[in-house]
Amino acid sequence: DQQVKQNSPSLSVQEGRISILNCDYTNSMFDYFLWYKKYPAEGPTFLISISSIKDKNEDGRFTVFLNKSAKHLSLHIVPSQPGDSAVYFCAELGTSYGKLTFGQGTILTVHP
Amino acid sequence: AAGVIQSPRHLIKEKRETATLKCYPIPRHDTVYWYQQGPGQDPQFLISFYEKMQSDKGSIPDRFSAQQFSDYHSELNMSSLELGDSALYFCASSDRTGPSYEQYFGPGTRLTVT
Repeated sequence: DQQVKQNSPSLSVQEGRISILNCDYTNSMFDYFLWYKKYPAEGPTFLISISSIKDKNEDGRFTVFLNKSAKHLSLHIVPSQPGDSAVYFCAELGTSYGKLTFGQGTILTVHP
Repeated sequence: AAGVIQSPRHLIKEKRETATLKCYPIPRHDTVYWYQQGPGQDPQFLISFYEKMQSDKGSIPDRFSAQQFSDYHSELNMSSLELGDSALYFCASSDRTGPSYEQYFGPGTRLTVT
């Protein structure tokens, strides 16, 4: 059974510093992962994704790293901004039809 | 840019009543997904449709049914509502012919069952 785990319920970071959000997985079929950001009362917003052919994908301030041997991925936000404060979910592609399995989420708070 | 539209945004129903949630995907997106997010939980996949056919099924109760119509909008029908059905229901859409598996989520419908 596929599982995605975010073991840190919350993270607090100073503005301008790096935020590192972590995610572990088991039994991935497609080795394709996505990160979503969610504000209260809104739907999740896609941030960045990574597939097994890469170990790193970068988009502006956001970089995702994939360590297949450790079954671990991380999202780096540099520099962190107060507007980044939100819940971050990692998600795993479960089927070729696009079903996503989400982690429990990490609440990121960036202090000015 | 057009986004996923969900209606209603809020819905209050009593136990054993029926509810219908609607989703209008981004234009030219051919796949619709439904997710349920309980309080303090992560979104759980319910069901998806590709080109009006059910493509995937998750932990959707038998009391729930869904379909995708010819204009690609989708409806989630929920009958015999229970208190535990109170949650945020998200619809997402994607373009399966596109280069990635990104799904774009709507703002959600908050269902409260009393």
